[in-house]
Amino acid sequence: SAVISQKPSRDICQRGTSLTIQCQVDSQVTMMFWYRQQPGQSLTLIATANQGSEATYESGFVIDKFPISRPNLTFSTLTVSNMSPEDSSIYLCSVLPQGAGEQYFGPGTRLTVT
Amino acid sequence: EDQVTQSPEALRLQEGESSSLNCSYTVSGLRGLFWYRQDPGKGPEFLFTLYSAGEEKEKERLKATLTKKESFLHITAPKPEDSATYLCAVPNSGGSNYKLTFGKGTLLTVNP
Repeated sequence: SAVISQKPSRDICQRGTSLTIQCQVDSQVTMMFWYRQQPGQSLTLIATANQGSEATYESGFVIDKFPISRPNLTFSTLTVSNMSPEDSSIYLCSVLPQGAGEQYFGPGTRLTVT
Repeated sequence: EDQVTQSPEALRLQEGESSSLNCSYTVSGLRGLFWYRQDPGKGPEFLFTLYSAGEEKEKERLKATLTKKESFLHITAPKPEDSATYLCAVPNSGGSNYKLTFGKGTLLTVNP
């Protein structure tokens, strides 16, 4: 397993601004992911954060809107840019430890855009 | 398109009243099915992985089973602390194992 922390745990932001969410893991992991969980919806994968290279985005998500950094094997950030109320959601990071089949999730960041 | 459907959307039980949650999936070549528990304001907590039809996993009052089309999460004599949203997920067909399709979850409430 892995212990994952996220900052901030929640935030209320103005339309048009940006928020950067941090994800810290207690051990080195190759595979790190960012998800979005909108109210009443299932978790949706935004992108895979690749250490040392650009993130790999899923259909419907673009780098300009959700830039991701992965400077090392224990840390990643997700920025939600030029926010609108439709970006209000819970953002979660997860990791897939080496040799594990299952992902482990952080506590999430609850974002409200007004 | 891969799909995961969970039912019911919500379930209310009395303490001690056993029941089952359902997760049906359509995916080509199942490469595992995952169950998670999510408490309000928290991230999903891993419970079980099932890989083949007929497989069963148990943890305390929970037992997960898998067939070729669906999985069940059986809850025996639940307690109020079992109240949570239960999510299931499968790896996307044709892609890497780590790209998961999640169901919307079942919100379980256990009353004392």
